Amino acid sequence: QKEVEQDPGPLSVPEGAIVSLNCTYSNSAFQYFMWYRQYSRKGPELLMYTYSSGNKEDGRFTAQVDKSSKYISLFIRDSQPSDSATYLCAMFHWAGSYQLTFGKGTKLSVIP
Amino acid sequence: GAGVSQSPRYKVAKRGQDVALRCDPISGHVSLFWYQQALGQGPEFLTYFQNEAQLDKSGLPSDRFFAERPEGSVSTLKIQRTQQEDSAVYLCASSPRETGQGSDIQYFGAGTRLSVL
Repeated sequence: QKEVEQDPGPLSVPEGAIVSLNCTYSNSAFQYFMWYRQYSRKGPELLMYTYSSGNKEDGRFTAQVDKSSKYISLFIRDSQPSDSATYLCAMFHWAGSYQLTFGKGTKLSVIP
Repeated sequence: GAGVSQSPRYKVAKRGQDVALRCDPISGHVSLFWYQQALGQGPEFLTYFQNEAQLDKSGLPSDRFFAERPEGSVSTLKIQRTQQEDSAVYLCASSPRETGQGSDIQYFGAGTRLSVL
């Protein structure tokens, strides 16, 4: 079992829908939780990062962390065609050496 | 520059050739990271630098992979005697902070797509 599990999709939704993207993890030492968006042939771009359990909102995006269940989510409200991309969860902890672990990514298509 | 710049964007190599991939981080960024992203996968950590010091190279897949950042800014990832399994996108990221000091926000370049024939 990988440390971070993410359903690769693809996920296809109509414009305006609410999108829910999820990751589970097994390493309870992870301290920081991030969501990156990656457009085709581009590098990942940081969308959200959180430290503690709970919700964090930024515009149409909400990141949710449940450390007790080792589960994180990203919600996108009023999805737009421009949101079509691959969404990567990533988790970090410092263990005397560098440890940033990414999920596989979920490919999202928002259909006009 | 405004962001992390990587060159070349695309590289085709014959099996057995050596390649060098360049990364120009955001000016003033202390930490620099290299990742390998295979098709349909998330980035996998290779190595990172804090200024010119290579603090962790545990992700390098073999001794054919070598990275340097001699003056603490530009970095080069070198792959010797390339193999087909080296085909991937190689991403570089930089961060303004030293790793381990709180949240670790990284800014990624667009990557170099390496194809080994």
